[in-house]
Amino acid sequence: GAVVSQHPSRVICKSGTSVKIECRSLDFQATTMFWYRQFPKKSLMLMATSNEGSKATYEQGVEKDKFLINHASLTLSTLTVTSAHPEDSSFYICSSRLAGVLDTQYFGPGTRLTVL
Amino acid sequence: AQSVAQPEDQVNVAEGNPLTVKCTYSVSGNPYLFWYVQYPNRGLQFLLKYITGDNLVKGSYGFEAEFNKSQTSFHLKKPSALVSDSALYFCAVRLNTDKLIFGTGTRLQVFP
Repeated sequence: GAVVSQHPSRVICKSGTSVKIECRSLDFQATTMFWYRQFPKKSLMLMATSNEGSKATYEQGVEKDKFLINHASLTLSTLTVTSAHPEDSSFYICSSRLAGVLDTQYFGPGTRLTVL
Repeated sequence: AQSVAQPEDQVNVAEGNPLTVKCTYSVSGNPYLFWYVQYPNRGLQFLLKYITGDNLVKGSYGFEAEFNKSQTSFHLKKPSALVSDSALYFCAVRLNTDKLIFGTGTRLQVFP
């Protein structure tokens, strides 16, 4: 299947700093990428949909100024958590939709963010 | 509202026995249904999907799922469970907008 990577896999930062998470589709072009947040023992919550070359579409309740998403190329999307606070600590997962195949998303391995 | 339900938080099964992880959905129109598996501290791995056609869908690692329109269900099954199947399983439905809605997840524990 299609391979999606995320970097870093784990990050620990101080409160008030910003953290950037990268999501790459390694062997296919992804016109659309998705960013999810997963709390412990909970399901995935869609944060935003990222389309290459255009602004991301955020879900209701997700602060777009806090969670900056950039999708500059067909293989890379980034999520920047700005001015991180302890409540932003979570597992962030991205997925990519294979161009021309509308129905299947392939997920990255996730990034564990801990804000101290 | 469109939703996906996984009524069991955890399913326990002995190795070698058949397993079923339940999923029901509520969507308008024809559903696109998916099963994903998540191992600890990992992302989700795609197992199988139903788009149209045969109601019995076969996927990775010997898993299969049966789409039942009258019962609005898409239960995941495997004839003989392995200890290595122990993980968190998510059912999901794709909306017309291309978004996925996930169920709350079911933890499968296979005992030796």
